[in-house]
Amino acid sequence: DIQMTQSPSTLSASVGDRVTITCRASESISSWLAWYQQKPGKAPKLLIYKSSTLESGVPSRFSGRGSGTEFTLTITSLQPDDFATYYCQQYNNFWTFGQGTKVDFK
Amino acid sequence: QVQLQESGPGLVKPSETLSLRCTVSGGSISMYYWSWIRQSAGERLEFLGRIYASGTTTYNPSLKSRVTMSVDTSKNQFSLKLNSVTAADTAVYFCAATGTRDVFDIWGQGTMVTVSA
Repeated sequence: DIQMTQSPSTLSASVGDRVTITCRASESISSWLAWYQQKPGKAPKLLIYKSSTLESGVPSRFSGRGSGTEFTLTITSLQPDDFATYYCQQYNNFWTFGQGTKVDFK
Repeated sequence: QVQLQESGPGLVKPSETLSLRCTVSGGSISMYYWSWIRQSAGERLEFLGRIYASGTTTYNPSLKSRVTMSVDTSKNQFSLKLNSVTAADTAVYFCAATGTRDVFDIWGQGTMVTVSA
């Protein structure tokens, strides 16, 4: 199984901050990585796929990069609506998720 | 716009079978692969398996032979059965759609299932 590890587990930030979340795969997954945003009591929402392709309708302050085993999700100028939990997910070999990174108020 | 809605019992007894259904609206069930994903409290999301309209399935090996999925194209529904449940199967269960990009594009709202006597 490909294991996905996110860091940090929790990130405290303020509106306007630039935040970066890291996701590492236990083996190379090329660029087959997606990012999702989940708010309490809601289903995850697809933000980015194929490492860096923004889903339609997702604000451009979200960006993703990386390939192989190391990936990042960056939010430039954090907005109030962005306080949520973010998950990475690989789909190179089966489908597995990271443990999540909660972005909360500093 | 395709929408998904899960339905089924919210409480299942240990050792019994968990059965959930997902109804697809706003599109044909032949358009996507249909998946089940669960999320236990404080845990990461776990892919359980997926099914195509043809009936072709892919299951998570970690569930061994406990999971079965089926599709009813006439009703635009697909289903999950998980047998021999234990408290560890208590979770929110989501159904989701995967298109050509092979990611989970569309999600149902999720349904909470508790395994308890």
